[in-house]
Parts: sequence; C-alpha cells; structure tokens
Amino acid sequence: EAGVTQSPTHLIKTRGQQATLRCSPISGHTSVYWYQQALGLGLQFLLWYDEGEERNRGNFPPRFSGRQFPNYSSELNVNALELEDSALYLCASSIIDRAKGRNEQFFGPGTRLTVL
Amino acid sequence: ELKVEQNPLFLSMQEGKNYTIYCNYSTTSDRLYWYRQDPGKSLESLFVLLSNGAVKQEGRLMASLDTKARLSTLHITAAVHDLSATYFCAVDLGMEYGNKLVFGAGTILRVKS
Repeated sequence: EAGVTQSPTHLIKTRGQQATLRCSPISGHTSVYWYQQALGLGLQFLLWYDEGEERNRGNFPPRFSGRQFPNYSSELNVNALELEDSALYLCASSIIDRAKGRNEQFFGPGTRLTVL
Repeated sequence: ELKVEQNPLFLSMQEGKNYTIYCNYSTTSDRLYWYRQDPGKSLESLFVLLSNGAVKQEGRLMASLDTKARLSTLHITAAVHDLSATYFCAVDLGMEYGNKLVFGAGTILRVKS
C-alpha cells in the first residue's frame, strides 16, 4: 500500500513569493493534516481538511491557506513568504474511526521549504 | 492550552543500557502516539496508545500510558546503535478539539558503541 506522498521534496523561494506544496493521502483516507517543523519551534499543527472542508486551523497567519480536492489530495499555499517560513512541512493522512476513537496519522516524507 | 513536555531532550547512552523517555501532558486525553524521526526524514509511527494502562512493545522499545498521571513513557531496553534517532510523543485531543496532534519537543537519542 502506497504511503502519503508529497511534492516537491525541496522548494527554494525568495521573500515575498508564494509557495505551493502538494500532498496525496493514503488510499481510503479522507483526512489530511499539515504540520510545520521549523528549527527551534518543533512540530506545529497548521491545518486539517476532511471531506473537502477545512475543519481546524492552527495558530498561523491567514497567508497560510490550503484546500482539499475531491480525490482527497491537498495543497498548502503560503503567500508573501517570510524568512521564518523556512521549515519542513509535513502532511499526514488518517481515517477516523469514531467508534474506537482512533485517528492515527501517517506522515509523508515532507517538503523542505527554504526562503532566501 | 495543552502543553506536552518530553524529557530528557537529549540522551546519549551506551549500547546495551536501558533508559526511559518521559512524556507529560497538561490536559485530559486517552490517546497518545510515539513517533521516530531520522535526520532529514519524516515521522515513523511507533506506538498507538488508546487507553489508560495501555502498554505496547516492539523489539527493544516499550511504551505505556497512564492517563490519570497524564504520563507516557518510552522505555529502551539494551540499546543498539540503530535506535539513534529523535523520538516524539504526540497527544491527540480528539474530534472535539479539531483532531490536531500536539507534539512534545522531541528527544534526541544517540547510542554509542
């Protein structure tokens, strides 16, 4: 079974530009999550999409946005890039088992974004 | 706001020794995950702990969850070099809190031969 995939692997941008990161979940998973892993700041929750809707958002400015497509893949857009946006962006997917309260998230390989 | 504290943050140990990584969290949850991350790589799921008293073992690693104490432990038995990595615990707040995982800062484990 294929895991979560992300593209591109690396992305280099300059301040003020826009970045688009892509994620394909595990087949059958309907939820997609985005996390930022910045040096010194740890892993922080960014966004949760489920069934095409944004369900939850972390403490990030509005220039971080995204969407989920009908095939459950997702895109994260970061506008007006700042130096501190340099980080590893991890996408995860899950299938929520409400009966068991289980929501194990499986992570993709990440996109390393460097802002110069 | 939920806080998840891991300690130690850095652990250097000799091969063959035992040690425990601790994960304390500040709010009620009965769902906790442990992940491993190798340098430059993504997160690999190690353990899923879904109830008070849950104990899971895989090879030289054993994880447990005490929801009353809000504490999870990851115990390493007879460490080997291949276990060198960063280990994260993550607390799942559930649907009512938007399904996000709140991660600890991570424990960098270095096993020396």
